[in-house]
Amino acid sequence: GENVEQHPSTLSVQEGDSAVIKCTYSDSASNYFPWYKQELGKRPQLIIDIRSNVGEKKDQRIAVTLNKTAKHFSLHITETQPEDSAVYFCAATPNSGYSTLTFGKGTMLLVSP
Amino acid sequence: KAGVTQTPRYLIKTRGQQVTLSCSPISGHRSVSWYQQTPGQGLQFLFEYFSETQRNKGNFPGRFSGRQFSNSRSEMNVSTLELGDSALYLCASSRSGEPYEQYFGPGTRLTVT
Repeated sequence: GENVEQHPSTLSVQEGDSAVIKCTYSDSASNYFPWYKQELGKRPQLIIDIRSNVGEKKDQRIAVTLNKTAKHFSLHITETQPEDSAVYFCAATPNSGYSTLTFGKGTMLLVSP
Repeated sequence: KAGVTQTPRYLIKTRGQQVTLSCSPISGHRSVSWYQQTPGQGLQFLFEYFSETQRNKGNFPGRFSGRQFSNSRSEMNVSTLELGDSALYLCASSRSGEPYEQYFGPGTRLTVT
């Protein structure tokens, strides 16, 4: 089955800096890669996703890149703000037609004012 | 559009008991997936239902089961509860069986004593 590794497990940045979280996956058939943000005591919220036919996707201060050859994808957050502080999860879905997500272990991002 | 809802939000049970959790998906969504979230194991896939059929199952014992009704609402059941079943149980809904965006409910916090 699919295995997703996520690094780093914790990331501390100063407000205004950029943050990068990296994930690797094992199943070359995976074709959908969402990122979720989970604030303390809240549900995971989908913040951006990318499909295997695209190399990069941007949404305001957030971008995701995908390298299918190397089987890794990354989340980039620019101009970080204190409200970006949360746990971020990457995930992968195999090309099986099923809505199954395999998650990384999460990255706790702390943005200091 | 109303989001994914889950009931109950909190539950305390004793070892050996059983429990049933409920999930109502976003209107029009036909796929419901269940996940277990714990500090040690992160987010782990339990099972996915689509059009009242279980299409995929994660690596959990048979004590964990579920079902989906004709209105796409889903329930999961855990029998013979163990201390290790204490977790946040999240359901997520998506439009169809393809890897579309999944939206999470607030979760049910289960504590087994």
